[in-house]
Amino acid sequence: DAGVIQSPRHEVTEMGQEVTLRCKPISGHNSLFWYRQTMMRGLELLIYFNNNVPIDDSGMPEDRFSAKMPNASFSTLKIQPSEPRDSAVYFCASSLRGSTDTQYFGPGTRLTVL
Amino acid sequence: AQSVAQPEDQVNVAEGNPLTVKCTYSVSGNPYLFWYVQYPNRGLQFLLKYITGDNLVKGSYGFEAEFNKSQTSFHLKKPSALVSDSALYFCAVRDGGSQGNLIFGKGTKLSVKP
Repeated sequence: DAGVIQSPRHEVTEMGQEVTLRCKPISGHNSLFWYRQTMMRGLELLIYFNNNVPIDDSGMPEDRFSAKMPNASFSTLKIQPSEPRDSAVYFCASSLRGSTDTQYFGPGTRLTVL
Repeated sequence: AQSVAQPEDQVNVAEGNPLTVKCTYSVSGNPYLFWYVQYPNRGLQFLLKYITGDNLVKGSYGFEAEFNKSQTSFHLKKPSALVSDSALYFCAVRDGGSQGNLIFGKGTKLSVKP
């Protein structure tokens, strides 16, 4: 298996633009997680899906952030409009079933908002 | 509420010496505990976990961790450090009695010098 796939690996955009990050979880995994990593705040869980249904989105910073999982093999995290403080590395992870199972992380998307 | 603390931002060790990366936690129920490692520009990789059973857990790359309920600790150890062990190490905890998600510590940077 190729592992968790994220695209793009790097994204540079200007403030106010829409940004879409993409994730393909490991085949057969039922749970998908979006995290954000910054020097100041460390690793933060943004949202967690189980069987394509959002279970916990309490970590989503504000309405500018939205996440979807239209099917078991694809998820998106969208920021609209983007702001400089959104600059971070965004990770997607998947697990067989829930947060007690081992999570497998993708390589991350480094987002820079100018 | 659950929380996890990694009291050291950085640990420096000479190659061949034993290493310890500290982690303490707070949960109301039984803890599920994890260690992950992050190499530069990569996603997190699973090292080991404790759910139940033997307090000494052995994981990847020769690492092990000991669950100590009385001290609420789950320190990561390795008998003989390698330069290639240099990375960022994250401890994570989930309260087994809840439906919550993993909470990650801030991370500890391990530097192993030749």
